[in-house]
Amino acid sequence: KAGVTQTPRYLIKTRGQQVTLSCSPISGHRSVSWYQQTPGQGLQFLFEYFSETQRNKGNFPGRFSGRQFSNSRSEMNVSTLELGDSALYLCASSLTGEGTDTQYFGPGTRLTVL
Amino acid sequence: GDSVTQMEGPVTLSEEAFLTINCTYTATGYPSLFWYVQYPGEGLQLLLKATKADDKGSNKGFEATYRKETTSFHLEKGSVQVSDSAVYFCALSDSYSGGSNYKLTFGKGTLLTVNP
Repeated sequence: KAGVTQTPRYLIKTRGQQVTLSCSPISGHRSVSWYQQTPGQGLQFLFEYFSETQRNKGNFPGRFSGRQFSNSRSEMNVSTLELGDSALYLCASSLTGEGTDTQYFGPGTRLTVL
Repeated sequence: GDSVTQMEGPVTLSEEAFLTINCTYTATGYPSLFWYVQYPGEGLQLLLKATKADDKGSNKGFEATYRKETTSFHLEKGSVQVSDSAVYFCALSDSYSGGSNYKLTFGKGTLLTVNP
């Protein structure tokens, strides 16, 4: 079974631009979560989607948004990019979206904002 | 809120040495506990998990026991290899969080370097 895939793997943008990242979960998984990883803040939760509904959102500004499609694929969007948005963005999927379930991570998208 | 504290390292060991990475947690609910590993340039891979008190998770020679009385989930391996060099993350999720609170809370990560 194929794992979680994320595209693109690398992105370079300039301040003020916007960016869209894509995530395809493991087949059959209905929950998709997004995390931001930086050297200073570590791994921080962005949001989680289940059956096209955002169920949970982390403490990030409204410039960060996402959505999930009927096939469970998910996208996240960051508008008006800032230098501090440079990070590794990780997507994870789980089968049931329940607390005991394992989240499986993709390889991440490395975003650099210049 | 929930939080995870783990020794930040870096930890440097010789091959075949014993490894312990400490992890303690604070949770308002009843958490499931996880250890993930991240190799350079890659995403996170699940190493092991435990979903209830006294459970022992194990994989690839690594072990961790869910200790509710000490709110701990320490990672151990009896004999490390060079290939174990990576960053290790302890994490928790609320076991009853299917819904508006479903997420992983991570520790800061521990960089392990194993020298031949």
